[in-house]
Amino acid sequence: GAGVSQTPSNKVTEKGKYVELRCDPISGHTALYWYRQSLGQGPEFLIYFQGTGAADDSGLPNDRFFAVRPEGSVSTLKIQRTERGDSAVYLCASSSGSASYNEQFFGPGTRLTVL
Amino acid sequence: AQSVTQLDSQVPVFEEAPVELRCNYSSSVSVYLFWYVQYPNQGLQLLLKYLSGSTLVESINGFEAEFNKSQTSFHLRKPSVHISDTAEYFCAAPSGGYQKVTFGTGTKLQVIP
Repeated sequence: GAGVSQTPSNKVTEKGKYVELRCDPISGHTALYWYRQSLGQGPEFLIYFQGTGAADDSGLPNDRFFAVRPEGSVSTLKIQRTERGDSAVYLCASSSGSASYNEQFFGPGTRLTVL
Repeated sequence: AQSVTQLDSQVPVFEEAPVELRCNYSSSVSVYLFWYVQYPNQGLQLLLKYLSGSTLVESINGFEAEFNKSQTSFHLRKPSVHISDTAEYFCAAPSGGYQKVTFGTGTKLQVIP
């Protein structure tokens, strides 16, 4: 079956612009996660959705970052007034449950470059 | 909060040689631990996980990891590596009581022919 998909695969934007990154999870997965992976680092947690609601957004770095999941499936990560420091690979993952032992399935990521 | 440490950023090893990738964790409570692998130009994949029970866990492609509570370690080993094992490996652990996963900084395994 289809895995987690993310679009676009690459996004180049200018400083100050607005961007949207999309994640399409595995069908039926109720939990969805966003991570950010900077060069030379491991993925860092941004936000976790259980269904339509953001159960934990403690990893969002500031109020320029926002994510939605209006129908409990596709999610969009939105970044306003982008800065060069936002350049990273943004990863999305989904799982069938939110327990610690449920496997997370990752998408290929969106590479964001802010010029 | 749970945290994981991977001290080796890169590990070069000759093909068919053994390898150990180190991971140490910090926690005062029961832990779940994972190893993820990221092959070139691919997404992260779960390699193996420790939840409970036997402290030695294995993957389908010959890797194994041993949960060592006294040393707070979860090192990844393989007795004989292949070129296809070239990838970046991440140790990880959930925190916050659910799947808010904390990742280590990763170890790049480079298998030399």
